[in-house]
Amino acid sequence: ELKVEQNPLFLSMQEGKNYTIYCNYSTTSDRLYWYRQDPGKSLESLFVLLSNGAVKQEGRLMASLDTKARLSTLHITAAVHDLSATYFCAVDWAQGAQKLVFGQGTRLTINP
Amino acid sequence: NAGVTQTPKFQVLKTGQSMTLQCAQDMNHEYMSWYRQDPGMGLRLIHYSVGAGITDQGEVPNGYNVSRSTTEDFPLRLLSAAPSQTSVYFCASSYSRTTNEKLFFGSGTQLSVL
Repeated sequence: ELKVEQNPLFLSMQEGKNYTIYCNYSTTSDRLYWYRQDPGKSLESLFVLLSNGAVKQEGRLMASLDTKARLSTLHITAAVHDLSATYFCAVDWAQGAQKLVFGQGTRLTINP
Repeated sequence: NAGVTQTPKFQVLKTGQSMTLQCAQDMNHEYMSWYRQDPGMGLRLIHYSVGAGITDQGEVPNGYNVSRSTTEDFPLRLLSAAPSQTSVYFCASSYSRTTNEKLFFGSGTQLSVL
């Protein structure tokens, strides 16, 4: 059974600081997704990581994937308040069939 | 484009009642799926479809039925609602499950079963 664990689950940080969210998963997969969810809203796709060593960046967010370590990271650079949200990683447990197992989510609060 | 449209947005049911959550997409996507989200947890896959006439079970299928008669629509049926089915339900779609494209999510249906 594939398990996906994120840490931390809650993160409160100040604007301007850097931080990293970690996503560990228990079985082999080379497809990992990051999503953002604002309170009471739907999920918005941030990144799709498809191979070992994949790195993608969008604005202040950068995601990477290490399939050998079964680890993905979402790095936030110089955080701003608008990045406050819950961030989910999700792993495809059926090798490309988009049957995703989600982590518990990391609730990120960025204070002015 | 409307994207992925879910109705209703909110629903309250009594235990034992049945209902259908509607999901429609206008992007000509092959792949559609249903997830549920419970407090403090990530989303869990209920059922999915890779095309009209083809459906399969996900991680938590019990108590739910689906069908896919058209490319656009993928309704989720609760046959006899139970309090354990209180959750937020999200429908999602993508162009093809094999091209590693991102999923587009609907706005969700908040369901309470009393």
